[in-house]
This record gives sequence, C-alpha cells and structure tokens, in this order.
Amino acid sequence: GAGVSQSPSNKVTEKGKDVELRCDPISGHTALYWYRQSLGQGLEFLIYFQGNSAPDKSGLPSDRFSAERTGGSVSTLTIQRTQQEDSAVYLCASSFLTIPLMGDTQYFGPGTRLTVL
Amino acid sequence: QKEVEQNSGPLSVPEGAIASLNCTYSDRVSQSFFWYRQYSGKSPELIMSIYSNGDKEDGRFTAQLNKASQYVSLLIRDSQPSDSATYLCAVILGGDDKIIFGKGTRLHILP
Repeated sequence: GAGVSQSPSNKVTEKGKDVELRCDPISGHTALYWYRQSLGQGLEFLIYFQGNSAPDKSGLPSDRFSAERTGGSVSTLTIQRTQQEDSAVYLCASSFLTIPLMGDTQYFGPGTRLTVL
Repeated sequence: QKEVEQNSGPLSVPEGAIASLNCTYSDRVSQSFFWYRQYSGKSPELIMSIYSNGDKEDGRFTAQLNKASQYVSLLIRDSQPSDSATYLCAVILGGDDKIIFGKGTRLHILP
C-alpha cells in the first residue's frame, strides 16, 4: 500500500497566521508521530498518538502547537500565531506498534516544509 | 536533560573502506536504539535497530551496543558512494514515551 503522506509539501505563511499540517499514516498503523527538523538540526520529537490518544504532550514547543488525530487515522498539527522560529520541516511517521514496545519501525512521510516570513 | 550525542562530521571515508559512526547517550535505562539514514532533502529511513549488548549485523551494516559505556555505533563495510548521507542515532528513553534523535553525522564516501 501507499506510504505515509503529508500535505501540503510546502507552506509559506506570514508571521501571526495559523497553519494546519496534515498527515495520513500507513493504513493499519496504530501509532503516529510528529517531528520537527530545523536547518542543520536533528529531529525534534513533538508528540505521538496511540490510536486517537496522545499520552504525553510535553514535547510540543509551546501552547501555540496542538495536534489531534481522529478515527485512528489522519492527524493534524496546528500552529497558531506562527513565528519565524517555527520555520522547519515537519515530519510525520507511523508505525504498527507504539514507542514503548520493541521492534517498532517508524516509517516517515516526505515532510511539510514550513516557512514563516 | 537527556541527550544523544553524535559527531556532526563530515566524516570522509574512501570507497571500499569501513565507515564507523558513533553515538553516546545519557540515559542509563534506555533500552531501544536505532540508526536512521537521511539523504539530503529526504526523510529518514531506518537502517538498523538494536536492543541488546553486542553486535547485530545486516548485510554491510553492523550495529554495536555497549550499555555500560552508553555507546552505540554503526559500522558500514565496503563503503559505497551511495552511502553518503547523514546518519541519525535515536534512543527511546527508559520509562518515557519519547524518542530522542542525535543531530546526525554527515558521511561522505570518497570515490
């Protein structure tokens, strides 16, 4: 089947605007993860979902960031009142199992490149 | 602050030689360790996972884990130009639902 898909692939927005990023995981994968990768930086783990539930939201950078997942499938990451430091590639990944379990292979989507002017 | 440390490189290795990539982590109770490869402008892809002390081999790749020293490495034998990429080390923290990635090591295989 298809891999993880993300939309949009690129998003340019003005400072202060809200943006919504979408992730479609691989069908049947129960776990979904959001990461952020800034230029020259490693991956920053933001949040993960087990089904529709996010057990720990402490990885989100600020209260401007929120994420939800419905129907155990599609997830959206919303950034309110965007700031220039939010500019990064936002990557989504999915896996059949969840983080605490061994043998959990995450499959990454192509990412959304967000540029905040 | 629990961390995963990698030398940023670039690490230049002649074609056909062994490339050795290293990673240290700060959380003693971490149990799961991963190596991802990321080509420029692309998403990461899993290369190896390792959970027990010792070596794990998969084709030209060998992951080595030493929990006592809090050290995990990736060896690439018979390096090819197509191995040129950034290699990310990732650690699942013990007791936390989080995965921490290092900043990656840029590997350049010289033809």
